[in-house]
Amino acid sequence: KQEVTQIPAALSVPEGENLVLNCSFTDSAIYNLQWFRQDPGKGLTSLLLIQSSQREQTSGRLNASLDKSSGRSTLYIAASQPGDSATYLCAVDPYNFNKFYFGSGTKLNVKP
Amino acid sequence: DAGITQSPRHKVTETGTPVTLRCHQTENHRYMYWYRQDPGHGLRLIHYSYGVKDTDKGEVSDGYSVSRSKTEDFLLTLESATSSQTSVYFCAISESGETGQPQHFGDGTRLSIL
Repeated sequence: KQEVTQIPAALSVPEGENLVLNCSFTDSAIYNLQWFRQDPGKGLTSLLLIQSSQREQTSGRLNASLDKSSGRSTLYIAASQPGDSATYLCAVDPYNFNKFYFGSGTKLNVKP
Repeated sequence: DAGITQSPRHKVTETGTPVTLRCHQTENHRYMYWYRQDPGHGLRLIHYSYGVKDTDKGEVSDGYSVSRSKTEDFLLTLESATSSQTSVYFCAISESGETGQPQHFGDGTRLSIL
């Protein structure tokens, strides 16, 4: 059974700092990995999707990398802003059926 | 935002009572999913549907049933609610089941079972 772990569980940084969120998974045989953002009381918003054949994806200030062999992904946020404050979740699809296993998330607080 | 409406948004009920949660979509997407979110566990898939009357189990399906009689509606039923089913329930949709298709999420239903 695929286990997805996100460390740290919570992170507080000053505005403007570059930061890295980590995601690890136990079975490297995945088809894709997604990073999501969740605001309080809201559902999830997809940020980036990395297919198994890709090493990274970028969207604006966000860059996600994938190292399947080591079972790791990172989400890099450049020049963080208070509006980036949210919980970030990673999820892996191990069966090619678009059914995901989620980590428990990293709660990010960016202080003005 | 994707047109997904979950109802009710909040519900408090007692152990042993039946509960039905509704997910309604206006996107005409074929796939619909029910997840639960609990502290320390992230989101876990309960059931999903790949078409009208076509459903399958997810990771944590025990104690739950689903039905989909129309493309736009996916119902999650707790036949006899237990305290362990206190959670936040999310519905998601995707256009197809191909890997890499984005899933769009509703805003969730907070369910408390006393």
